[in-house]
Amino acid sequence: SQQGEEDPQALSIQEGENATMNCSYKTSINNLQWYRQNSGRGLVHLILIRSNEREKHSGRLRVTLDTSKKSSSLLITASRAADTASYFCATDIGNEKLTFGTGTRLTIIP
Amino acid sequence: DTAVSQTPKYLVTQMGNDKSIKCEQNLGHDTMYWYKQDSKKFLKIMFSYNNKELIINETVPNRFSPKSPDKAHLNLHINSLELGDSAVYFCASSQARTGAGETQYFGPGTRLLVL
Repeated sequence: SQQGEEDPQALSIQEGENATMNCSYKTSINNLQWYRQNSGRGLVHLILIRSNEREKHSGRLRVTLDTSKKSSSLLITASRAADTASYFCATDIGNEKLTFGTGTRLTIIP
Repeated sequence: DTAVSQTPKYLVTQMGNDKSIKCEQNLGHDTMYWYKQDSKKFLKIMFSYNNKELIINETVPNRFSPKSPDKAHLNLHINSLELGDSAVYFCASSQARTGAGETQYFGPGTRLLVL
């Protein structure tokens, strides 16, 4: 079974609104990373949060981590059309690889 | 000035053929990866190499054989292609082996269609 699962699978919001997507995982982690994939392109790293951190910010992105609930959330504030993409969480549990979740497909409606 | 490049971008071939996908990174990274992304966008690691040494072989059929001639290149050769091999294959690299906060840089992907 997959380590990470994103929720919701798909999300459509109006431009300017905030978008929140969640990631749940099963096994204790060293760190959790979020990646964006635009249609037809490779993944791009957005932000990394370590297991001893609870919140991180990068521009319009805010990531939280709750290790007791084994979950993370990615908040994109003031969304733009260019934020339309699929977003993946990836967990590092110390086994030499990242395990990617199922992804959230975000659509920003202009 | 592409950091991680893959060739070809598209590959359409008949079942039973043998094909190769090439990957090069100019980031000076030590570790490279191959991933397979299926039609549902699920991304699964296949192989990783660190400085030309195989680190991960994720129960991939032995029809798939990676080759790393140097740490900047990781090629993927696929024998006897099957319909189920149709997917997007991504190459990625990281400064060092996964762990301690290494982030990965992905190539643009190779879209393989087996007919």
